[in-house]
Amino acid sequence: DSGVTQTPKHLITATGQRVTLRCSPRSGDLSVYWYQQSLDQGLQFLIQYYNGEERAKGNILERFSAQQFPDLHSELNLSSLELGDSALYFCASSGHSGLSVTDTQYFGPGTRLTVL
Amino acid sequence: AQSVTQLDSHVSVSEGTPVLLRCNYSSSYSPSLFWYVQHPNKGLQLLLKYTSAATLVKGINGFEAEFKKSETSFHLTKPSAHMSDAAEYFCVVSEEGYQKVTFGTGTKLQVIP
Repeated sequence: DSGVTQTPKHLITATGQRVTLRCSPRSGDLSVYWYQQSLDQGLQFLIQYYNGEERAKGNILERFSAQQFPDLHSELNLSSLELGDSALYFCASSGHSGLSVTDTQYFGPGTRLTVL
Repeated sequence: AQSVTQLDSHVSVSEGTPVLLRCNYSSSYSPSLFWYVQHPNKGLQLLLKYTSAATLVKGINGFEAEFKKSETSFHLTKPSAHMSDAAEYFCVVSEEGYQKVTFGTGTKLQVIP
């Protein structure tokens, strides 16, 4: 158990809808990362937050957004969903000092999103 | 720019024989390199990490990797495969100046009894 929790475990929704995925980092970790894992694209880094601020951006679509709250939990919002958004979404946290992308990341179990 | 190439999408070994999973990287600065393992329906777990200290890095479960700058490689090895090693392995590169993390496409390791 990494100490990172993600809810929900599974999510099934329809095209055009909006969903919110939630992540709670390990106690004391200030950085949260979001990843998308799909069969055709592999594991893609989406975005990183550090202590409430956006820190690094990867291949995140404009339809997707994230935020990190004062209690350090993070939410990933996916809107205008398309079939191709079906994937496993992972959250990871790192670093009590937490500012560097070179820190070890601890991954949550993921949220499996299915768009029908 | 940074990139990482995992040279084999599937590797199959017999239980008790050595494991070699190959990874080449490209980076503009001094990279940090990681190997993560993902068991079916689970999140990723760190195996080991290189951050410009010793070039031979020892990780968990008997795995190790050697950073070879001249070959831009960071291959993962284990002397003797165990059935529980069957999983997908990801090589990862990140670097401070680039502020991005790049995952390889993964290598599925099959261990045959």
